[in-house]
Amino acid sequence: DIQMTQSPSSLSASVGDTVTITCRASQSISNYLHWYQQRPGKAPKLLIYIASTLQTGVPSRFSGRKSGSEFTLTIASVQPEDFVAYYCLQTYSAPYSFGQGTRLEIK
Amino acid sequence: QVQLQESGPGLVKPPGTLSLTCVVSGGSINSNDWWTWVRQPPGKSLEWIGEFYRGGSTHYNPSLESRVTISVDESNNQVLLRLTSVTAADTAVYFCARANIQLVYALDTWGQGILVTVSS
Repeated sequence: DIQMTQSPSSLSASVGDTVTITCRASQSISNYLHWYQQRPGKAPKLLIYIASTLQTGVPSRFSGRKSGSEFTLTIASVQPEDFVAYYCLQTYSAPYSFGQGTRLEIK
Repeated sequence: QVQLQESGPGLVKPPGTLSLTCVVSGGSINSNDWWTWVRQPPGKSLEWIGEFYRGGSTHYNPSLESRVTISVDESNNQVLLRLTSVTAADTAVYFCARANIQLVYALDTWGQGILVTVSS
């Protein structure tokens, strides 16, 4: 089974900062990596799929990148509504697996 | 536009069976997509439970495989989850979701989730 290691588990930032969250897979997953945002009490929302493709309706300040075996989600100019939780998900091989999550907090 | 809605008991006694229904509207469960269940214990990360594809193909999380069954009710366009021998560790919000083949199986559509508490 593929394990996803997501870091950091929490991140403090100020409005307007640029932040980066990282996921690494325990084996190659090609680019079958997706990013989600989850607000408290709500279902996850797809932000980026296939590592770098922005889902329809998602603001362009969100971006994804793959470099080697590392996947990153970058939020440029963080807005107040962005201070929630983020997760990665691999769908390369079942059983699919999520990262442990990153909580973005206001500094 | 596809919409998903979970329903079922909010409280299950151990070591009973958890049974949930996900109604799919705006689309057919016989599409090319996989129908998925995900859960999230309070304050914790998301856990992929398993998925179902038309014709009966399934994949399950090995940690739950001996206790879980995902199936569909075609006549009512529903996806069903059954989890047996539940314990307090199965207390979680349960989500159904669509794994969209066009997005390389990204889960692009989710239900609102249902909290299931396992307690005597």
